[in-house]
Amino acid sequence: DMKVTQMPRYLIKRMGENVLLECGQDMSHETMYWYRQDPGLGLQLIYISYDVDSNSEGDIPKGYRVSRKKREHFSLILDSAKTNQTSVYFCASSYWGNYAEQFFGPGTRLTVL
Amino acid sequence: GDSVTQTEGLVTVTEGLPVKLNCTYQTTYLTIAFFWYVQYLNEAPQVLLKSSTDNKRTEHQGFHATLHKSSSSFHLQKSSAQLSDSALYYCALTLSSGSWQLIFGSGTQLTVMP
Repeated sequence: DMKVTQMPRYLIKRMGENVLLECGQDMSHETMYWYRQDPGLGLQLIYISYDVDSNSEGDIPKGYRVSRKKREHFSLILDSAKTNQTSVYFCASSYWGNYAEQFFGPGTRLTVL
Repeated sequence: GDSVTQTEGLVTVTEGLPVKLNCTYQTTYLTIAFFWYVQYLNEAPQVLLKSSTDNKRTEHQGFHATLHKSSSSFHLQKSSAQLSDSALYYCALTLSSGSWQLIFGSGTQLTVMP
């Protein structure tokens, strides 16, 4: 069953706490992505990973970092979370290539108080 | 820079009537692929249509879109909207730059009324 999973699905943190969002995929996709989705702003790319330990900044990387030690797993880390990082975070994966369809996970709703 | 524009943030249509969601783009790259993604309430975005061929109509689930490079457009249309079509629709493109990054429009929320 081809899918992208995300954990946790819902998370509430206080400002200044560290946050770890996990993403997994079972399709052996080389490329993985982290997005955040905010009303009126659509999907904004935070980071893209082309394979293990091969990560590049997206459009809004400030305040985030990522880790990819296995092809099937991609983590998003917020060190000292801020209230403006309250959002819905989506992970996606795809084969490499500019015609490759991205498969999205179910999302994590993060609230930073 | 490269960008995708969806001019309508909200579109409301009556069930059974046609619907058109606009999408235009700007890019300096020659080779591009286009997508329409649909996101139902509390679900993940998923691909609805994709195309990279100029002037070729692409269809799926009753929706269709034609890439027109001459007008830099990839509008999404359906002849008869259904209640179940209510969702958030994103137009997106990828470039030949090799980054595999999808450039998304800001999205159009489609509401189909009975």
